[in-house]
Amino acid sequence: AQSVSQHNHHVILSEAASLELGCNYSYGGTVNLFWYVQYPGQHLQLLLKYFSGDPLVKGIKGFEAEFIKSKFSFNLRKPSVQWSDTAEYFCAVIPYSGGYQKVTFGTGTKLQVIP
Amino acid sequence: EAGVTQFPSHSVIEKGQTVTLRCDPISGHDNLYWYRRVMGKEIKFLLHFVKESKQDESGMPNNRFLAERTGGTYSTLKVQPAELEDSGVYFCASSPKLPGRSTDTQYFGPGTRLTVL
Repeated sequence: AQSVSQHNHHVILSEAASLELGCNYSYGGTVNLFWYVQYPGQHLQLLLKYFSGDPLVKGIKGFEAEFIKSKFSFNLRKPSVQWSDTAEYFCAVIPYSGGYQKVTFGTGTKLQVIP
Repeated sequence: EAGVTQFPSHSVIEKGQTVTLRCDPISGHDNLYWYRRVMGKEIKFLLHFVKESKQDESGMPNNRFLAERTGGTYSTLKVQPAELEDSGVYFCASSPKLPGRSTDTQYFGPGTRLTVL
């Protein structure tokens, strides 16, 4: 069964610092990759996704992620974080299975941005 | 467009009681998913409906959990009888059926926080 690892459980940064959250997955085939974010008191929402094509994916609010197939990684980055980025971030993987979707999530990373 | 809604937002029950959670997907979305997050752990898949049919229920913990989606619209997840380890946040998600696409984005509801005492 596939698994998703998010190595940082809790990250604390000052505003304007750069962010990189790690995500590694274990699945040998083609995958679709996602980062979701849950702001305090809000729904889980999609930040960005990768299906195919350019491995550098840009999402909302200045976030981007890079798919490195050889490393089974899909790390999330932002050059300069803001206080409003305080949230919990989840990496997720769906194996490409020709119609059926079953998402595997990582354990999440709580990001706290200090003003 | 209304998003995925879930009811109730919170539920506190005693061990042995029954609780029913409801999910209303985005109108027109054939796919409906249930997930659960136990505190501090990953969000785990429970099951997937395509319209009213169960596509995959491999994530259901045991037979105390029963999910239904009558008419292919809203879904309910019943826990009977509830145990302490059932506490957590139950998320629902939906996605449209896109012909020719193997996968699609899932839209999540706000979750129901279940506490079993």
